[in-house]
Amino acid sequence: AQKITQTQPGMFVQEKEAVTLDCTYDTSDPSYGLFWYKQPSSGEMIFLIYQGSYDQQNATEGRYSLNFQKARKSANLVISASQLGDSAMYFCAMREGTGNQFYFGTGTSLTVIP
Amino acid sequence: EAQVTQNPRYLITVTGKKLTVTCSQNMNHEYMSWYRQDPGLGLRQIYYSMNVEVTDKGDVPEGYKVSRKEKRNFPLILESPSPNQTSLYFCASSSGEPYYEQYFGPGTRLTVT
Repeated sequence: AQKITQTQPGMFVQEKEAVTLDCTYDTSDPSYGLFWYKQPSSGEMIFLIYQGSYDQQNATEGRYSLNFQKARKSANLVISASQLGDSAMYFCAMREGTGNQFYFGTGTSLTVIP
Repeated sequence: EAQVTQNPRYLITVTGKKLTVTCSQNMNHEYMSWYRQDPGLGLRQIYYSMNVEVTDKGDVPEGYKVSRKEKRNFPLILESPSPNQTSLYFCASSSGEPYYEQYFGPGTRLTVT
């Protein structure tokens, strides 16, 4: 079974609108971390936001927020007030336990339309 | 400047010719990893390390070797590259707790003919 599933290969959003990128995960470990990364066309991987499995509140970082629904095993990324520079590939990732093993999803390509 | 460096950035080689991709970080991080990125497959972890002389297999270790003799360096070795190892490779490092946030290198695009 896939550890991380991103079901939206491509998404479009109008500039200044909000957009939600979906991510579901699969683990039986009670301790895990969830991450979102952005990969612009230039290729670098940029860390956006982190949510720990024991965190009670949803993580937020500026225009990024993580909608964490533990019972549903979902960790959707919400980008508010989209900007043209948000056009990129977005990857959801999970770390299980306290080790260094990571699992990434297949990514969602976001295009912001002027 | 805190960074992860990889060399070379681009490499074209032939089947069977041993190669090494170097990775170095200047943040004194304990944890380091290697990933490959292929279209439609996302990033897949090849090997990871949690300290000097401590390495573990990730999801796709076949055909690769790593070593961690110093904290800052984590080279990826392809003893006998094959065309199915043509990919974009990323090295990453992390300080571990509390967030395990990974810092990625710029990537190495490898083509094996």
